[in-house]
Amino acid sequence: DAGVTQSPTHLIKTRGQQVTLRCSPKSGHDTVSWYQQALGQGPQFIFQYYEEEERQRGNFPDRFSGHQFPNYSSELNVNALLLGDSALYLCASSHTLGIAKNIQYFGAGTRLSVL
Amino acid sequence: EDKVVQSPLSLVVHEGDTVTLNCSYEVTNFRSLLWYKQEKKAPTFLFMLTSSGIEKKSGRLSSILDKKELFSILNITATQTGDSAIYLCAVEAQYGNKLVFGAGTILRVKS
Repeated sequence: DAGVTQSPTHLIKTRGQQVTLRCSPKSGHDTVSWYQQALGQGPQFIFQYYEEEERQRGNFPDRFSGHQFPNYSSELNVNALLLGDSALYLCASSHTLGIAKNIQYFGAGTRLSVL
Repeated sequence: EDKVVQSPLSLVVHEGDTVTLNCSYEVTNFRSLLWYKQEKKAPTFLFMLTSSGIEKKSGRLSSILDKKELFSILNITATQTGDSAIYLCAVEAQYGNKLVFGAGTILRVKS
């Protein structure tokens, strides 16, 4: 049973560029959440997708957008990259039913460096 | 604004020691508190706590929640070098199970 998988593992971009990060949830999970973790800090919630809709959003600008596909996989898009967007981007998946519902399981993340 | 505070920020102990990590929170519509261990990148799930006073235990790790005083502790007994990691506390708040994280406690276990 594969866990949460994210791609790519590392990415280097320059200011002003756009980036797309991808996430495949754990088998059987229907909800995907995205977090940004800056160095030395805890993860910060970006947004969450369920049934292909953005269900909840944190305090991130509109430059951050996402999508969920019918197979529950998800993408995070960031436009007009800033130096401050450099961070580890974590995807977490969960399911809405069952004993372990709402426990979020994390992928290994994508390390984004903006130069 | 929802807030989770962990203490200490970092800790260095010797193998065999017992450690206690603290997590206090202020959130609206509390639903649960979760502990994660982050060694390199992926935080791995340890415990989910929803009820006060009920200890969750897994091997040498245990955790308890106090919903009246708004805090939780994570205990690790007989520490090993493999316990070296960042321990993250998160609270599930409001609708839709968004997690609010603390900054983490960096634990280093010396042999």
